[in-house]
Amino acid sequence: AQSVTQLGSHVSVSEGALVLLRCNYSSSVPPYLFWYVQYPNQGLQLLLKYTSAATLVKGINGFEAEFKKSETSFHLTKPSAHMSDAAEYFCAVSEPSGGYNKLIFGAGTRLAVHP
Amino acid sequence: DADVTQTPRNRITKTGKRIMLECSQTKGHDRMYWYRQDPGLGLRLIYYSFDVKDINKGEISDGYSVSRQAQAKFSLSLESAIPNQTALYFCATSDQKRRGRTDTQYFGPGTRLTVL
Repeated sequence: AQSVTQLGSHVSVSEGALVLLRCNYSSSVPPYLFWYVQYPNQGLQLLLKYTSAATLVKGINGFEAEFKKSETSFHLTKPSAHMSDAAEYFCAVSEPSGGYNKLIFGAGTRLAVHP
Repeated sequence: DADVTQTPRNRITKTGKRIMLECSQTKGHDRMYWYRQDPGLGLRLIYYSFDVKDINKGEISDGYSVSRQAQAKFSLSLESAIPNQTALYFCATSDQKRRGRTDTQYFGPGTRLTVL
């Protein structure tokens, strides 16, 4: 079974600083990877997804993620943090299961942005 | 209007009570899912449904049941609620017409359930 590990349950950055949220996966087949964001009191919103077309994936709100097969990683980055980026971020891998694509989620990383 | 809605948004109940959480979607998707979210555990799948007549257990279905009343409606029931079912519950949808491992799941805003 596939698994997803998010390093760091809490990350704190200053406004304007680089955001780096780490995600490593285990997969016996080529992975399809997702990053979701959960703002306070809201559901999960798709930030971006990797579908094997390009290793560098650009998403919404200035976020991007790079798929590195050799490192089994899919880290999420943003060059300059904004206060509105404060949220919880989830990495997920898609696993074929019984005719549908099961999403395996990481435990999440809560991002705090301070002035 | 939101594409995936959940009612209620918050609910406090007592041990042993029957609770129903409802999910409706206007996206026209055929697949629907129920997850629970616990701090430090991410989201775990409870049940999923490919269409009205096709319902499947997820990884943590014990203590829960579901009903797919129509393509657009998928309800989650706790027949006899217990405190360890206190969690945030999410409904999600996806579109089989765009099948493949890249199909995206779209989430509702969640229901915060507290069982005392």
